[in-house]
Amino acid sequence: KQEVTQIPAALSVPEGENLVLNCSFTDSAIYNLQWFRQDPGKGLTSLLLIQSSQREQTSGRLNASLDKSSGRSTLYIAASQPGDSATYLCAVLEETSGSRLTFGEGTQLTVNP
Amino acid sequence: KAGVTQTPRYLIKTRGQQVTLSCSPISGHRSVSWYQQTPGQGLQFLFEYFSETQRNKGNFPGRFSGRQFSNSRSEMNVSTLELGDSALYLCASSQDRHYGYTFGSGTRLTVV
Repeated sequence: KQEVTQIPAALSVPEGENLVLNCSFTDSAIYNLQWFRQDPGKGLTSLLLIQSSQREQTSGRLNASLDKSSGRSTLYIAASQPGDSATYLCAVLEETSGSRLTFGEGTQLTVNP
Repeated sequence: KAGVTQTPRYLIKTRGQQVTLSCSPISGHRSVSWYQQTPGQGLQFLFEYFSETQRNKGNFPGRFSGRQFSNSRSEMNVSTLELGDSALYLCASSQDRHYGYTFGSGTRLTVV
């Protein structure tokens, strides 16, 4: 059974700092991996999608990497801003799970002005 | 391009009642998935519908059911509500799993 772990569970940083969020998964037979952010009480906003054949994806200040063989992904946020404060979730889609995403518990990020 | 629309945004129901939640996917997306989010269990997959057929199902009791209409809109029904069903229910639509999933804003269900 696929298990997804995100470390740290919570992170508080001063504005302007670069930071890394970690995601690990137990079964490397994944189809793709998607990073989301969730604001309190709201739905999920997709940030980046990485296919299993890719090593990284970039969007603005965000960069996500994937090491499928070691079961790890990282989300790098450059020059953090207070508006980045949210919970960040990674979700893996296994090759054989059809449409079922398996989520980590998330990292709650607070960026202090 | 309109996103995924979920209605209603908030619901308060009494234990034992039933409830129906609605999800309208992005135009052209034929896959609709449902998830339950609680503080204790996180995000858990309920089921997925594709072209009006349930294609995938999570480990939830039979009180949780769904359907999809010919226009790809989907409904989720929970019968005989329990206090533990209080959660944020999210739906996601997709053109194809290769392109990832887009989530709606969710329906917050409170069972009292």
